[in-house]
Amino acid sequence: ILNVEQSPQSLHVQEGDSTNFTCSFPSSNFYALHWYRWETAKSPEALFVMTLNGDEKKKGRISATLNTKEGYSYLYIKGSQPEDSATYLCASSRDDKIIFGKGTRLHILP
Amino acid sequence: DTGVSQDPRHKITKRGQNVTFRCDPISEHNRLYWYRQTLGQGPEFLTYFQNEAQLEKSRLLSDRFSAERPKGSFSTLEIQRTEQGDSAMYLCASSLPQWVQVTDTQYFGPGTRLTVL
Repeated sequence: ILNVEQSPQSLHVQEGDSTNFTCSFPSSNFYALHWYRWETAKSPEALFVMTLNGDEKKKGRISATLNTKEGYSYLYIKGSQPEDSATYLCASSRDDKIIFGKGTRLHILP
Repeated sequence: DTGVSQDPRHKITKRGQNVTFRCDPISEHNRLYWYRQTLGQGPEFLTYFQNEAQLEKSRLLSDRFSAERPKGSFSTLEIQRTEQGDSAMYLCASSLPQWVQVTDTQYFGPGTRLTVL
């Protein structure tokens, strides 16, 4: 694949439930994989950056994994809360460029 | 310094007019990037600067677009003779050079929402 692909495009999750979504990226010339959270009317916020195959990062209830050989990363949210509602962007660095996916729009239902 | 700032946050203009946006990066960051984001898409790279030098421009950046960073601090993005297709969110980001930080995390501003009528 030449582009960064994210799935699903949109997701509705009941408050308290856990969820995960996927980012697929080109595995050749890979440098780093970034996850950002973008809330409406705010700046995209950097969540994680991962570089090594098998990397796992965690920040509170949110964690991410990385597989550079097959070109995918998962973002997990445990026990979803209303404040988790946002667009989650994945971006891959390669050849001095950062290429973004279209994002996964997460809606937390009360 | 609290982060990357952009001005204005919203701009409504008529087709054919010129517009200019400003970005103030985090002060110690020497790299500055411009992106455009349209509905349903992720941010698309437009151009980036290292200090005052513009190192790369995307083919998305037509000759109506020009970006400057004259003193290596703030940057401006100008769009001449705006078209309705220019309506988008214009995001600015900054980062430290790779020889300072291992990874190239970019820190984003809140964006300028442009609407061309």
